[in-house]
Amino acid sequence: GESVGLHLPTLSVQEGDNSIINCAYSNSASDYFIWYKQESGKGPQFIIDIRSNMDKRQGQRVTVLLNKTVKHLSLQIAATQPGDSAVYFCAERYSGYALNFGKGTSLLVTP
Amino acid sequence: DADVTQTPRNRITKTGKRIMLECSQTKGHDRMYWYRQDPGLGLQLIYYSFDVKDINKGEISDGYSVSRQAQAKFSLSLESAIPNQTALYFCATSDPTLNTGELFFGEGSRLTVL
Repeated sequence: GESVGLHLPTLSVQEGDNSIINCAYSNSASDYFIWYKQESGKGPQFIIDIRSNMDKRQGQRVTVLLNKTVKHLSLQIAATQPGDSAVYFCAERYSGYALNFGKGTSLLVTP
Repeated sequence: DADVTQTPRNRITKTGKRIMLECSQTKGHDRMYWYRQDPGLGLQLIYYSFDVKDINKGEISDGYSVSRQAQAKFSLSLESAIPNQTALYFCATSDPTLNTGELFFGEGSRLTVL
């Protein structure tokens, strides 16, 4: 089947810097793209999503960019904080309900 | 209290044993899901249910069964556990009226099959 993948398995950034986590997708029929954050020992938490007919959406300190031409999704975190250290998953929604998750990127924020 | 509660949180069992993982939710959502997470991998859908009378297989349903006892309860069973079912299992809910991709996850149930 079609898959969602991540360019880098780990990312280390300094506190206060901006972080960019990338994701490639291949299912052109997906209608939503979503980012989740998973802290150690917890379930994934929704961060932000973007509809397939949009190219940018902003939240609190986060921005998601969608480039349908190259099937690329990114999550930008501004002024990264220690509490942002976690594994980040991108996911695409297809068939109106099912999510296809990527393998995850581990973000480590150093002082 | 958590909106999506999973029990047990941790379980160690032996090959061939029957195991049930339970999930209950207080969000009032009709849609519930069971996902499996293996180390270094994303989440894979096992089963999903859109209401009490509607249950569907996901991408990795072999070796698993589910029961939707009520709107708030969705349990996952392993009839005869095997070692490669050792994983972290997540229950999730969603509200289709929101029309977003958001799932609400429980804290997970870590299962080890020896």
